[in-house]
Amino acid sequence: QQQVKQSPQSLIVQKGGISIINCAYENTAFDYFPWYQQFPGKGPALLIAIRPDVSEKKEGRFTISFNKSAKQFSLHIMDSQPGDSATYFCAASAQGGATNKLIFGTGTLLAVQP
Amino acid sequence: ETGVTQSPTHLIKTRGQQVTLRCSSQSGHNTVSWYQQALGQGPQFIFQYYREEENGRGNFPPRFSGLQFPNYSSELNVNALELDDSALYLCASSPAGQLTDTQYFGPGTRLTVL
Repeated sequence: QQQVKQSPQSLIVQKGGISIINCAYENTAFDYFPWYQQFPGKGPALLIAIRPDVSEKKEGRFTISFNKSAKQFSLHIMDSQPGDSATYFCAASAQGGATNKLIFGTGTLLAVQP
Repeated sequence: ETGVTQSPTHLIKTRGQQVTLRCSSQSGHNTVSWYQQALGQGPQFIFQYYREEENGRGNFPPRFSGLQFPNYSSELNVNALELDDSALYLCASSPAGQLTDTQYFGPGTRLTVL
């Protein structure tokens, strides 16, 4: 019940295209859903995050879509660029618990071809 | 504003040895979390410290221990190293005032156990 399932495992997109990464969760206590971007040899960097009270959040080229009833959320990267090539992780946490530990998905390796 | 910093960057140890990893939290952050990221996997929560007290622990054995200091910096100690402890160890800090969801990661320490 603590898992966050992420797909696809890898993704190849042409420059200018839309990259879509999906995540699903089981624990209905989760109330915070961030996406992180990680380059090789670096720590994860927070991209964008959403809470269940909204269905969509957009920041620049990055959009999170959230479906509370389906317990799913996704990251859309519009106008994908070669510099977006990285590993993307979805995560979830429950602020009401004793700790706000993040439960991460298994990651999606994105390659944007020029 | 200085971000999360970690030291050392890389470390090589042999099985059975002990290791100490260090983390300086972002200015104004009083909560520090540690994660282990095996190659090709998402980060796994080890434990969290809030105001110098352990505030939650993941599924890691007692040979993983930690400390948080009055300046909110933190240490992760691992005793009796095993080959499977080889991973990227990440520290993340959260803003002061209360447990909040947003966690900012450092660059990590790459630990290799031979």
